[in-house]
Amino acid sequence: DQQVKQNSPSLSVQEGRISILNCDYTNSMFDYFLWYKKYPAEGPTFLISISSIKDKNEDGRFTVFLNKSAKHLSLHIVPSQPGDSAVYFCAASKRGSTLGRLYFGRGTQLTVWP
Amino acid sequence: KAGVTQTPRYLIKTRGQQVTLSCSPISGHRSVSWYQQTPGQGLQFLFEYFSETQRNKGNFPGRFSGRQFSNSRSEMNVSTLELGDSALYLCASSLAVPSQDTQYFGPGTRLTVL
Repeated sequence: DQQVKQNSPSLSVQEGRISILNCDYTNSMFDYFLWYKKYPAEGPTFLISISSIKDKNEDGRFTVFLNKSAKHLSLHIVPSQPGDSAVYFCAASKRGSTLGRLYFGRGTQLTVWP
Repeated sequence: KAGVTQTPRYLIKTRGQQVTLSCSPISGHRSVSWYQQTPGQGLQFLFEYFSETQRNKGNFPGRFSGRQFSNSRSEMNVSTLELGDSALYLCASSLAVPSQDTQYFGPGTRLTVL
């Protein structure tokens, strides 16, 4: 049962434009969300996170938005750069749970072209 | 501070054999989690260890097992290998349990079963 879904397997964006990656979740108990970036032959790298008490978190070119009522979050990258080309994974967890673990989506391949 | 290290990086085995993968967490981190990544499947949770205790286990057969040592290093073992076990195996560490703290991933071990 896929509790975290990334419905777009790929996204292609021109350099300098905005990249918007989307993620939906089904479990209303999730209260902490993360985005990871993964290059081929490397492990995922933590990018940015957001707690359910917020609806927005920014870190440089990366902003994550959370819409709890829609159970939806998105990652905005502005401006997009060719080095951003990678697979982006959305993940969710139930903070404070003694049995907490991360639930991942299947990833979105972002390609930023010059 | 050194990141998460995994050994070996690449491994080729034949069906029926067994394999042991190793993970050294970031210094000071006490939690280690293991994930399997196969094409199109995203990251599937295998198990999570904290202070030498397995706290959580994913939906994998008993052929997959793991352990954590007193220095927080972890190993996972797969017995009676099957072709479908070919995957990238990722280890992640965190200071506290994953539900409380961000996980940081190693580069992974690429296992090929022939």
